Amino acid sequence: NAGVTQTPKFQVLKTGQSMTLQCAQDMNHEYMSWYRQDPGMGLRLIHYSVGAGITDQGEVPNGYNVSRSTTEDFPLRLLSAAPSQTSVYFCASSYQRGQPQHFGDGTRLSIL
Amino acid sequence: GESVGLHLPTLSVQEGDNSIINCAYSNSASDYFIWYKQESGKGPQFIIDIRSNMDKRQGQRVTVLLNKTVKHLSLQIAATQPGDSAVYFCADYIAQGAQKLVFGQGTRLTINP
Repeated sequence: NAGVTQTPKFQVLKTGQSMTLQCAQDMNHEYMSWYRQDPGMGLRLIHYSVGAGITDQGEVPNGYNVSRSTTEDFPLRLLSAAPSQTSVYFCASSYQRGQPQHFGDGTRLSIL
Repeated sequence: GESVGLHLPTLSVQEGDNSIINCAYSNSASDYFIWYKQESGKGPQFIIDIRSNMDKRQGQRVTVLLNKTVKHLSLQIAATQPGDSAVYFCADYIAQGAQKLVFGQGTRLTINP
């Protein structure tokens, strides 16, 4: 099993550009989530999904969109990149909400 | 409000010694707690969890203790090895309401040879 796969691993964007961070899992997990990790602030929840077709906002959703058309995939879209979105982004999944999550290895994103 | 914090941002121990990483939480409604390990350049990795109806749980070389009276949990790592060097996060989960997992800021554990 590959687990949770995130692409790309690194990305540099200019302010105002848009992009999609990809996340795929092969464990048939219903619950998927996106976090950002910033120095001194731990992991903060951006958006989550409890199953295909269902998404909801987390703690810091502004500037990001998500969709969940399949169980396997949960892409995160940056609509208009801002320097404040420079961060490391992690995707995670679990069978259900409230269970230990499996994390991908992250996407390191820099906005210039 | 909900918050999970760690007492120390860094901890250094000698190889072979035991280490204890502490975590405090503020929400008495938290009913599930998880410890994660994050190595450099990697995502967090699940270590061990404990539910609020338990005081202690043991895994391989790791033990988690939960004190609900003072809202404190700790991760004990026995006979530390170089591979234990990492950042350790505690997280708590509240099954009701927002049902979200709240992460602490992490403690960096360094194992000295």
